[in-house]
Amino acid sequence: GGIITQTPKFLIGQEGQKLTLKCQQNFNHDTMYWYRQDSGKGLRLIYYSITENDLQKGDLSEGYDASREKKSSFSLTVTSAQKNEMAVFLCASSPGTDQAPLFGEGTRLSVL
Amino acid sequence: GDSVTQTEGLVTLTEGLPVMLNCTYQTAYSTFLFWYVQHLNEAPKLLLKSSTDNKRTEHQGFHATLHKSSSSFHLQKSSAQLSDSALYYCALRGTQVVGQLTFGSGTRLQVYA
Repeated sequence: GGIITQTPKFLIGQEGQKLTLKCQQNFNHDTMYWYRQDSGKGLRLIYYSITENDLQKGDLSEGYDASREKKSSFSLTVTSAQKNEMAVFLCASSPGTDQAPLFGEGTRLSVL
Repeated sequence: GDSVTQTEGLVTLTEGLPVMLNCTYQTAYSTFLFWYVQHLNEAPKLLLKSSTDNKRTEHQGFHATLHKSSSSFHLQKSSAQLSDSALYYCALRGTQVVGQLTFGSGTRLQVYA
């Protein structure tokens, strides 16, 4: 079976720091997603990619960059971490855009 | 744009009682509705999905029926178990934006013995 691996599992950063989160999947899925999870706000889409080197902005893309250099990997960069920010970033993938995505376990971000 | 509403942030009940978690949605396009379940410190997992009006879909003891007339996709279970305690998300694929799922704010279900 396949797996979605997110690294690191925990990330502590400083205000203003640039932080990169990584996601790898071995399902050979075409589409990959980055969601942000905040308590009481559900999952909000940051970026998604329907194929290698493709990038599409979600509703929450401001303050983030993404990169899909290989089909199996999708990186997310927080361009300038905000003080006291705490959230979980979830990576997901799906075979195509019309199938329900599978999720990784998340990266938990805390900014001091 | 698309939206999903889950009115209850927290539902608490005793083991053995029935479960009903509400989900309503708004979209101007054809719809796929999903329920995801997320246990503590785990990844969200797909529980149910449907695009067929008035057809009941079931999985792992849970069921839901998509009602397009009322824009609803409520999640139900006849008898709650302690292991059902988790965060439940309703999500919509409205097909307006290719590839995008819109999630509700989530409902935390806490089942007590």
